[in-house]
Amino acid sequence: GAGVSQSPSNKVTEKGKDVELRCDPISGHTALYWYRQSLGQGLEFLIYFQGNSAPDKSGLPSDRFSAERTGGSVSTLTIQRTQQEDSAVYLCASSLAGLLGRQETQYFGPGTRLLVL
Amino acid sequence: DQQVKQNSPSLSVQEGRISILNCDYTNSMFDYFLWYKKYPAEGPTFLISISSIKDKNEDGRFTVFLNKSAKHLSLHIVPSQPGDSAVYFCAALILGSQGNLIFGKGTKLSVKP
Repeated sequence: GAGVSQSPSNKVTEKGKDVELRCDPISGHTALYWYRQSLGQGLEFLIYFQGNSAPDKSGLPSDRFSAERTGGSVSTLTIQRTQQEDSAVYLCASSLAGLLGRQETQYFGPGTRLLVL
Repeated sequence: DQQVKQNSPSLSVQEGRISILNCDYTNSMFDYFLWYKKYPAEGPTFLISISSIKDKNEDGRFTVFLNKSAKHLSLHIVPSQPGDSAVYFCAALILGSQGNLIFGKGTKLSVKP
């Protein structure tokens, strides 16, 4: 079946512009996660959705970052006034029921490679 | 077969001492390892990650060590605090078009004052 998809696969933007990254989770998965993979920085957790609500936003790096999820499905991660340090691969993952109560396999998408010039 | 194993279901440590939480894995293809902390009735929160090309990553009181030859990683918390009492989950990830994050079963840490 279809896995997690993300768009665009690559994005180049100028410093100061806003960007919007999209994630389509696996159908029926209630939990959705955003991570960032920066060169030399490892993998960072950004935000987690259970349905449409985000119980954990602790990883968002600054108030320029926001995310929403509507209809319990598609999520968008928005970065306003992008900076060069925002350049990274942004990864989205989904899982069937989420992290509450028990752990589940998270299925990752291919990522969006963002380059801020 | 479990790919990520946390063989100690519980650990008790005195406040101020070091807590060492262990995790073993079987798949040498994992790209990243992550640790999460979970309080009762709450979802887990991400703590720290390490890339498979590194052997150590430190963030404040938390340090994760990776021994690839032994397929073993550990999370060190020093000094331990009562607020660290929670369940700690180890997870491993293979990146790619259908990369999966696979969790261990967790270790319950109790830090006694």
